[in-house]
Amino acid sequence: AQSVTQPDIHITVSEGASLELRCNYSYGATPYLFWYVQSPGQGLQLLLKYFSGDTLVQGIKGFEAEFKRSQSSFNLRKPSVHWSDAAEYFCAVGALDAGKSTFGDGTTLTVKP
Amino acid sequence: DVKVTQSSRYLVKRTGEKVFLECVQDMDHENMFWYRQDPGLGLRLIYFSYDVKMKEKGDIPEGYSVSREKKERFSLILESASTNQTSMYLCASSSDRATSGANVLTFGAGSRLTVL
Repeated sequence: AQSVTQPDIHITVSEGASLELRCNYSYGATPYLFWYVQSPGQGLQLLLKYFSGDTLVQGIKGFEAEFKRSQSSFNLRKPSVHWSDAAEYFCAVGALDAGKSTFGDGTTLTVKP
Repeated sequence: DVKVTQSSRYLVKRTGEKVFLECVQDMDHENMFWYRQDPGLGLRLIYFSYDVKMKEKGDIPEGYSVSREKKERFSLILESASTNQTSMYLCASSSDRATSGANVLTFGAGSRLTVL
């Protein structure tokens, strides 16, 4: 069965600092990987996705993520965080033979002025 | 842009009441999903549907049912609400092939249900 682990429940960074949110997945074959962001009071919005090809993928709002098969990881990064990036971030994995995604428990990002 | 609309943002119900949560998408998507979101537990899939009148159980279907009479509408039903069903409910849709894990989900804004 597929699963996703986001080790950090809560992360605080200063505005302008770099950010890395960790995601580890468990799946027997090449997974489909996603990062979603949820602003307060809103639904989730897709930041980026990895299906195949280049292991470094670019997303919206200046985010990127790198797929590392050897580490079963798909960490999200941003070089300079803005106050508007404060939100909850979810990593998700989709399996080839199932039409549903499995989500991690989420990481809440707080941005200090 | 695809829009997924959940008719009620906030509901307060009493234990034992029947509750309907409605979700409508406007881009002719094949697939629709209901998730439940609780702090520290992420999103858990309740039910999903790949076609009209079709439904599949997700990871936590107990205490819930669904209805999909029209392609654009997917309803979540709590036959007899209980306090442990107090939660945020998120509806989502996608257009990818039903058996593909490459489902990019478009979410509604959520329905926060409180059961007293």
